Amino acid sequence: DGGITQSPKYLFRKEGQNVTLSCEQNLNHDAMYWYRQDPGQGLRLIYYSQIVNDFQKGDIAEGYSVSREKKESFPLTVTSAQKNPTAFYLCASSPQAGGPIQTQYFGPGTRLLVL
Amino acid sequence: GQQLNQSPQSMFIQEGEDVSMNCTSSSIFNTWLWYKQDPGEGPVLLIALYKAGELTSNGRLTAQFGTTRKDSFLNISASIPSDVGIYFCAGRHSQFYFGTGTSLTVIP
Repeated sequence: DGGITQSPKYLFRKEGQNVTLSCEQNLNHDAMYWYRQDPGQGLRLIYYSQIVNDFQKGDIAEGYSVSREKKESFPLTVTSAQKNPTAFYLCASSPQAGGPIQTQYFGPGTRLLVL
Repeated sequence: GQQLNQSPQSMFIQEGEDVSMNCTSSSIFNTWLWYKQDPGEGPVLLIALYKAGELTSNGRLTAQFGTTRKDSFLNISASIPSDVGIYFCAGRHSQFYFGTGTSLTVIP
């Protein structure tokens, strides 16, 4: 089946620890995104990538890092510098980085909890 | 970053009733998307709109791209229990911006 997969479903982080969230897509989409979802708030953009080996900061990039070495993969690292990491993290992809027709598809999400 | 005004925040309705919700923005958008999200899951795309005035249906769901390009509406007809969830909008000009969601509860 084509789609976006995220792993793990749940992730626990200890103080001072970096953790990496996985996002893989087999839709052949050019663009990939990471969002953070908190209760009562809309999705907030962390990072996005329009092509391989290129990515841009979103609205709340501090304390996060990403890489895009392959078209299919866009992992997100939550570093120890992110002081409030507890949230639901959503990965998304779009067929094209630009153009008039834009649609985003989401993965199932990873819930990160701080111990 | 910009967030969209979505209303109502929550709705409690009887099964069989129709539902209406909307999103407004201070900016002009060239795309509006509507999603449904179940607890602990990722959002699922329901309807995509690309032109001002466009009216698109997906089964019992109908969405419209407002003529001012600053708003969009979603209607659900004859609601059923599985319609329960959080519905949210997304609008785009240079990037996507998201509404805070409408929580829908359907009472059998």
